[in-house]
Amino acid sequence: AQSVTQLGSHVSVSEGALVLLRCNYSSSVPPYLFWYVQYPNQGLQLLLKYTTGATLVKGINGFEAEFKKSETSFHLTKPSAHMSDAAEYFCAVGPGYSSASKIIFGSGTRLSIRP
Amino acid sequence: DTAVSQTPKYLVTQMGNDKSIKCEQNLGHDTMYWYKQDSKKFLKIMFSYNNKELIINETVPNRFSPKSPDKAHLNLHINSLELGDSAVYFCASSGTTNAYGYTFGSGTRLTVV
Repeated sequence: AQSVTQLGSHVSVSEGALVLLRCNYSSSVPPYLFWYVQYPNQGLQLLLKYTTGATLVKGINGFEAEFKKSETSFHLTKPSAHMSDAAEYFCAVGPGYSSASKIIFGSGTRLSIRP
Repeated sequence: DTAVSQTPKYLVTQMGNDKSIKCEQNLGHDTMYWYKQDSKKFLKIMFSYNNKELIINETVPNRFSPKSPDKAHLNLHINSLELGDSAVYFCASSGTTNAYGYTFGSGTRLTVV
């Protein structure tokens, strides 16, 4: 079974500050891990993913995440927040094999950016 | 061309009505999904079809019935709509492996009054 926990339903940072969104997962098999972003009234867009190999993965819009197996974490960071980063962010986990298995989403973290 | 397209984008209807939401993907993916997003933004999978075959059927009221006429289309029909069905419904698709994640449509906001 798999599950994902996002710590903090709402994070607020100042423009230019570091963004850190936390995600911990549980998986009985090697996981695939994802971060998605949802802007208001839009669908989910893939930010980045970890499948195998390098544990630090870079995504779009300057975001990156690090897979830490020992901590079962996949936190999302961005060095300098921009107003356009305000959105809902979802961490997700899926088993690293057949697409017949579902991806489980966390409950989401709303990111607000203060001017 | 939109990769995963859903229609309609907004749907307002009365309790007790029957309605359908359509989804089409032009990515050549084999697997399609329906997710429900509630007012707290929580995303829950409802159904998944792989090449027209139902492979995931979560605990969903049997008033909800998916139909996949071909692997590029997955429609959702809802009978006897209830107030609690109000939500945003997302269609998504994926290839033969989870490695690339899902591609989502822009959602259908269903409001039952």
